[in-house]
Amino acid sequence: DTGVSQDPRHKITKRGQNVTFRCDPISEHNRLYWYRQTLGQGPEFLTYFQNEAQLEKSRLLSDRFSAERPKGSFSTLEIQRTEQGDSAMYLCASSLAGLRYTFGSGTRLTVV
Amino acid sequence: AQSVTQLGSHVSVSEGALVLLRCNYSSSVPPYLFWYVQYPNQGLQLLLKYTSAATLVKGINGFEAEFKKSETSFHLTKPSAHMSDAAEYFCAVSGRDSSYKLIFGSGTRLLVRP
Repeated sequence: DTGVSQDPRHKITKRGQNVTFRCDPISEHNRLYWYRQTLGQGPEFLTYFQNEAQLEKSRLLSDRFSAERPKGSFSTLEIQRTEQGDSAMYLCASSLAGLRYTFGSGTRLTVV
Repeated sequence: AQSVTQLGSHVSVSEGALVLLRCNYSSSVPPYLFWYVQYPNQGLQLLLKYTSAATLVKGINGFEAEFKKSETSFHLTKPSAHMSDAAEYFCAVSGRDSSYKLIFGSGTRLLVRP
């Protein structure tokens, strides 16, 4: 069990640029979740996949955000035309169709 | 709709003292409840979860929590704090829909004084 890997760990970008984050879940886990955590707050649900199907998206996920999970393996989260309000920790988690999540260490995005 | 309220954004205890972190939830259906711990620049680690079996749930690192339906509470306790317990703690709730998505509280930072 290699855990959930997220890449990069840190990303600094200029406002208006596009960024993409990657999450590699535990290989046998069929569910993958994305959460966003701003400073001093708890994580907020963004979206989740079961295998390759994106089953739910939060209203927090504006049209500048898109997530994919091709072939039900790794997932990417892209933010287009970044804004300063996008600065946050983006957490990925995976699970085997249940409540026991394994979280990655997150990608910290800073938009300057 | 579900929600979680964590009372106290910061809690400070002496090493060896009782740790009590408070969590109240709101849910229209019997919830699943969780406590997670987060160390700086790391992801979240599950401490314990309640899934409608025993109301007193024991977790890792000596933590436990008691589900009290009448009080809509799920407070986290540990009899004796260690310096290594200093971290951010999050209470979370999940409904019984198939998504199993988590709704988190805003967190409580535990400080342990030597």
